[in-house]
Amino acid sequence: KQEVTQIPAALSVPEGENLVLNCSFTDSAIYNLQWFRQDPGKGLTSLLLIQSSQREQTSGRLNASLDKSSGRSTLYIAASQPGDSATYLCARPAAGNKLTFGGGTRVLVKP
Amino acid sequence: DAGVTQSPTHLIKTRGQQVTLRCSPKSGHDTVSWYQQALGQGPQFIFQYYEEEERQRGNFPDRFSGHQFPNYSSELNVNALLLGDSALYLCASTLDRAEEQYFGPGTRLTVT
Repeated sequence: KQEVTQIPAALSVPEGENLVLNCSFTDSAIYNLQWFRQDPGKGLTSLLLIQSSQREQTSGRLNASLDKSSGRSTLYIAASQPGDSATYLCARPAAGNKLTFGGGTRVLVKP
Repeated sequence: DAGVTQSPTHLIKTRGQQVTLRCSPKSGHDTVSWYQQALGQGPQFIFQYYEEEERQRGNFPDRFSGHQFPNYSSELNVNALLLGDSALYLCASTLDRAEEQYFGPGTRLTVT
């Protein structure tokens, strides 16, 4: 059974500091990994999708890595801004592309 | 190009009642999945519809049922509501087994 874990559950950093968010998973099968952002009470916004054949994916200040051998993915957000405050979720698809989510990391960037 | 849309935005129901939530997928998408997100937790997969059939189902009771229409839009029905059904219900769409899924804004259901 696929399990996805995100630690820490919450994180608070001063503006300008780099953010490092961790995601671990138990099933090392050849699946992709997707990172999402969720603002309070809102839906999910896809940030990055790392294909199973890739080791990392970049978009602007965001960089996500995928290490299937260790069962880990890391999302880096460079030079954090107050607008980056949100909950970040990672998810892996199982067969039939149903997503298994971690519990999320709630991020607060202080001005 | 409209993304995934859901209605209503918020809903308040009483224990024992029935509720129907609606979802329109992103243009060009034919597969719709439903997720339940309790406060402070990650979303949990309920079921997925493709070609008007339930293709996959998560660990949810039969009180949760769904439907997909020929235009690919979908409904989620929950019968005999319990207080524990209070959650944000999210709809996601994709093109068949394509990897990236797109989520709607969700419907906040409160059961009193």
